[in-house]
This record gives sequence, C-alpha cells and structure tokens, in this order.
Amino acid sequence: DAGVTQSPTHLIKTRGQQVTLRCSPKSGHDTVSWYQQALGQGPQFIFQYYEEEERQRGNFPDRFSGHQFPNYSSELNVNALLLGDSALYLCASSPLQGFGNTIYFGEGSWLTVV
Amino acid sequence: AQSVTQLGSHVSVSEGALVLLRCNYSSSVPPYLFWYVQYPNQGLQLLLKYTSAATLVKGINGFEAEFKKSETSFHLTKPSAHMSDAAEYFCAVSESPGGTSYGKLTFGQGTILTVHP
Repeated sequence: DAGVTQSPTHLIKTRGQQVTLRCSPKSGHDTVSWYQQALGQGPQFIFQYYEEEERQRGNFPDRFSGHQFPNYSSELNVNALLLGDSALYLCASSPLQGFGNTIYFGEGSWLTVV
Repeated sequence: AQSVTQLGSHVSVSEGALVLLRCNYSSSVPPYLFWYVQYPNQGLQLLLKYTSAATLVKGINGFEAEFKKSETSFHLTKPSAHMSDAAEYFCAVSESPGGTSYGKLTFGQGTILTVHP
C-alpha cells in the first residue's frame, strides 16, 4: 500500500511564474492538507481539502490555491511566485474521522524560486 | 489560536545518554499533541501522539512523551540515545474533534538533536 506520494520532488521556477504541485493521499484517506516548510522552520499550514472543498485555511495569500479531485488527490497552485515562496511543500493525508490517529506526510516537493 | 514552543533549537547529547526535548503548547480547547522526526531532505515521520487517552505515550524507536495538562507540556524523552536518533524533531498541536480547527496541525520551530559518539 503506497503512502502519500508527491510530485515533482524538486523544481526550480523564476519569480512571477506559476507552479502546480501534486499529491496522492494514502489509500482510504479522504482529507488532504498542505504545509509550507521554509528552511530552518517548522511546517506552516496552508489549507485543507475534504470532499473537494477547502475546509480550512491558514494565513496564506490568495496566490496559494488548491483543488481536490473525486479520487481525493490534490493540487497546490502558487501564482506570481516570490523568492520567499522557496520552501519544502508537504502534503499530509488522513481520514477526517479519526484524524488524530492516522495522519501521514509525503516526502515533499522542494521548490526553489530564482 | 493554538501555538507550540520548543525550548532549545539545538540539543546535543552523548550516545547512551538521556534525550529530553521540551515542548510547551497553548490551546483553548483540549488538544491532540504529536511529535514528528525529520531526517535531512526527507518528509515528516510520526514518532508518537496523544489523543486524550493515556497521558504517557510510547512511540517508535524507544521514544515516549508525557502529557501534563497542568504544565501545558508534552516533552519527548528517550532513555538512551543512538547515533541514528540525530535528526530534527517537531512538536505539533491540533484541536480535538469538535474544535473549529480540528485537523490542522500547528508546529513548533523544531529542535535539532545531535548525538556524539
């Protein structure tokens, strides 16, 4: 049983460009959350998707948007990239019910903005 | 709002010594608490979690943590450090079911553990 898979693992973008990151949750998990981890810091919650809707959102600008598909996979989109968006982007999946017992993280997507 | 404070951004111990990583949390509702480990260039691996059952929680790799409500603490310990324990450790808090932010993890800044031979 595959865990949480993320793609791409590494990418480099130029300021002002747009990026899409993808996440496939662990089998049986219906909730996907995205986190941004800047170098030397703890992960920060971006948003969470459940039943194809954004369920809750952290303190991130509207340049950060997402989507969840019927198969529960998810995308994170960032528009008008800034140098400060360079970070590791982590996807976490869990069942909404029983979240505390089973939450798994992917290996992350490293985004460098130059 | 919830928050986590990890005391000490760097902790250094000798192999075989006690490991103690400190975590204090703030939450207006009953919390769920987690410890994660992150090895270089990798994602997060769950070490253990407190979800309102037993206050002393045992996790993987010999780690354990005790939830102390009166001290708002959830410190991570391991009796004897191994070289393989060298990594960065993150404490995280979430609201328990029924909370408006249930399902969202708030992380501390992390503690880098170094283990000397």
